[in-house]
Amino acid sequence: DGGITQSPKYLFRKEGQNVTLSCEQNLNHDAMYWYRQDPGQGLRLIYYSQIVNDFQKGDIAEGYSVSREKKESFPLTVTSAQKNPTAFYLCASSTWGVGTDTQYFGPGTRLTVL
Amino acid sequence: EDQVTQSPEALRLQEGESSSLNCSYTVSGLRGLFWYRQDPGKGPEFLFTLYSAGEEKEKERLKATLTKKESFLHITAPKPEDSATYLCAVKGYNFNKFYFGSGTKLNVKP
Repeated sequence: DGGITQSPKYLFRKEGQNVTLSCEQNLNHDAMYWYRQDPGQGLRLIYYSQIVNDFQKGDIAEGYSVSREKKESFPLTVTSAQKNPTAFYLCASSTWGVGTDTQYFGPGTRLTVL
Repeated sequence: EDQVTQSPEALRLQEGESSSLNCSYTVSGLRGLFWYRQDPGKGPEFLFTLYSAGEEKEKERLKATLTKKESFLHITAPKPEDSATYLCAVKGYNFNKFYFGSGTKLNVKP
């Protein structure tokens, strides 16, 4: 089955720790995205990548970092510089072309800071 | 400034009571408007993509329509299993990002 997988489903972090959230897709999509969702709010873009070895900051990139070494993978690191990291994190991917760039989402990772 | 506004924030319906959700958008050159369904604790599930004014798409009890300034998601004779948050997003020709609204939380009572 083609799709997007995220792991882990739940993640607990102590203050001062860096943690990495995994995102893998087998849809052969060029573009990948990371969003943060807080209760009662819409999705806010953290980072996105249109091609391998290239990525751009979204609206709330401070305290986060990403890499895109493979087309299938786009891991997100939440660093200790992120002051309020408790949230639901969603990874997405899409093709890149007019009329085809619908975005599909993974199941999400819920991060809680202890 | 490009933005997306969804209304109402929450909607309670009786089973079988049809209604519509609204998504108003401001974007320079619409490349696509997208509707998603999100259940609690899960990732958004893709429903529809609309590309041009006048376009309509249907799936079971849902029908999405698009004008130059807004989109409607019509729900006909809803069932309790239609209860979810419905998200709207847009993408324009001038940027490489998707902009999301805050969603409409739909609750259908039996």
